[in-house]
Amino acid sequence: DADVTQTPRNRITKTGKRIMLECSQTKGHDRMYWYRQDPGLGLRLIYYSFDVKDINKGEISDGYSVSRQAQAKFSLSLESAIPNQTALYFCATSGQRNTEAFFGQGTRLTVV
Amino acid sequence: DAKTTQPNSMESNEEEPVHLPCNHSTISGTDYIHWYRQLPSQGPEYVIHGLTSNVNNRMASLAIAEDRKSSTLILHRATLRDAAVYYCILREHTGNQFYFGTGTSLTVIP
Repeated sequence: DADVTQTPRNRITKTGKRIMLECSQTKGHDRMYWYRQDPGLGLRLIYYSFDVKDINKGEISDGYSVSRQAQAKFSLSLESAIPNQTALYFCATSGQRNTEAFFGQGTRLTVV
Repeated sequence: DAKTTQPNSMESNEEEPVHLPCNHSTISGTDYIHWYRQLPSQGPEYVIHGLTSNVNNRMASLAIAEDRKSSTLILHRATLRDAAVYYCILREHTGNQFYFGTGTSLTVIP
């Protein structure tokens, strides 16, 4: 099994719909992150969580919400999707100390 | 958060060494320097990280300037599989959130 699994891998949704992207990890790490990547650009941080009771906004949290259901699960929701949220979304996890981060394969979301 | 500056793109011939530079003039004393790479259609993957001393692993070497305001990722023999976008990132020693720049797109020429 992959260290970080994202579902779905691809999704097309309509403007105004609510959508949830899910992420699970098998590393046993406390820290989890959601990033967004637009074509030709680097990754931008949306939200991050250091444990189940800790949620923090990143650079671009407007229009998004998250839920940390368990240590291994971190979901990203778009309450009312809009076309400029069309992007590639990545989930990541890392340990408490300064260790490497592990990324999922990404979810390609298209809002029409 | 401290920022990094990298060239947008670089080219290398296959089987030759590649030196990817990164400037981080506002680095703090407790920031680690991390490098990740992103292959086409994949999530980023860890390459290497260091604090003050040069570091080597099976993938690459990291050379850190004495004043820590710049670093260089060294791929000793570029292969076609090394074609990717390489990101230089600063992380606090506690391992908190980390921010990506736009990275360097490496093209490897056969």
